[in-house]
Amino acid sequence: QLQLQESGPGLVRPSATLSLTCDVAGDAVSNTFYYWAWIRQPPGKGLEWIGTIYFTGSTWYNPSLKSRLTISVDTSKNQFSLKLTSVTAADSAVFYCARHRAYSSANFDSWGQGALVTVSS
Amino acid sequence: NFMLTQPHSVSESPGKTVTISCTGSGGTIARDYVQWYQQRPGSAPTTVIFEEKQRPSGVPDRFSGSIDSSSNSASLTISGLKTEDEADYYCQSYDRGIWVFGGGTKLTVL
Repeated sequence: QLQLQESGPGLVRPSATLSLTCDVAGDAVSNTFYYWAWIRQPPGKGLEWIGTIYFTGSTWYNPSLKSRLTISVDTSKNQFSLKLTSVTAADSAVFYCARHRAYSSANFDSWGQGALVTVSS
Repeated sequence: NFMLTQPHSVSESPGKTVTISCTGSGGTIARDYVQWYQQRPGSAPTTVIFEEKQRPSGVPDRFSGSIDSSSNSASLTISGLKTEDEADYYCQSYDRGIWVFGGGTKLTVL
């Protein structure tokens, strides 16, 4: 059974870089049938797609975050990661990692439990 | 930019039928499939409808999805409402390299 687990600091200072990792168990990030994604949800608000990566390193980013965002994949560790630079309080959110089939219309079929990240001094 | 707009909230009584709309703007909603997710407080979202009208295993057939191209909208219909259906519901689709979520609808069953 697929399990996704987010990890990283729960508190990040303003203007710093937010870094999160998603460990994947029960599937390989190199599985050719799947993409891997990050999605966030500010407290009390809706879901926002952050970006998606394929095991080859191909990425798709939310245009609103693209200038601050890097998503990478490490097939040897079976994980993928998120780095968001120059964070502000508006970046505080629960961050989810998720999997979706490698075609545009695929749903996010598995999600991690989510990691709360607060941006505050 | 492609956007999906949902009503902020809907409410209905147990046993009744409710429909949640998802209206596309800045693009054609029927260009790609729409999915629907249910999110209960404190939990990650789960899929209730994918590819417009498909249900994952374990999702009851009380949940159904549809598209109305004339209004550029998708709908999630839940019949025979149960108190356990009370949750936030999100539509989601794709447009030219971007995956998009609607703002979410809070369903109250009372």
